[in-house]
Amino acid sequence: EDKVVQSPLSLVVHEGDTVTLNCSYEVTNFRSLLWYKQEKKAPTFLFMLTSSGIEKKSGRLSSILDKKELFSILNITATQTGDSAVYLCAAPGGYQGGSEKLVFGKGTKLTVNP
Amino acid sequence: ETGVTQTPRHLVMGMTNKKSLKCEQHLGHNAMYWYKQSAKKPLELMFVYNFKEQTENNSVPSRFSPECPNSSHLFLHLHTLQPEDSALYLCASSQEGQGFEQYFGPGTRLTVT
Repeated sequence: EDKVVQSPLSLVVHEGDTVTLNCSYEVTNFRSLLWYKQEKKAPTFLFMLTSSGIEKKSGRLSSILDKKELFSILNITATQTGDSAVYLCAAPGGYQGGSEKLVFGKGTKLTVNP
Repeated sequence: ETGVTQTPRHLVMGMTNKKSLKCEQHLGHNAMYWYKQSAKKPLELMFVYNFKEQTENNSVPSRFSPECPNSSHLFLHLHTLQPEDSALYLCASSQEGQGFEQYFGPGTRLTVT
């Protein structure tokens, strides 16, 4: 069964700290791994990773994929209170009922205190 | 039985046309989503419906108008589109409160001429 596991499940830090969020995966026919930030109902896309060792960067956020060890990390430097959210990792899984399934991890709830 | 179906699978329309995309889910889910996937870009979330109520509208232009008459059906009404709206439009569904797994339909490939 396809699965995506994130750790830690929750994290509380102070503004200015650097955090690392972890995501491991087991999916058949791996194609990509996605990171999302969820502040309200629906997740907003952050990164899509398909190749090992190539860092994707957007401002203070960066992410990298290790296809050999089947994991990815999301780094956030100089955290701000606006970074408080649930960070989701997802990978396209197999087909079920004729529909492709996007398998998400449970998320890491990040709280950044002033 | 398929989980999430979308019709039509392909659509070509002019900029002055009005058309609708249809999505139906047979999974008993209570949340449905419209995504846009342009070439070489990641999925962009457009609309979210939860228990038939729209809970998310990601700054989508008004030429895209969603409709969710019940928890199993979702429509995307299109009018006066632009060529840059050409993309793959994906519908997804999920069961709120049971994780974030989303089940996607096959998509509608839209070309605006």
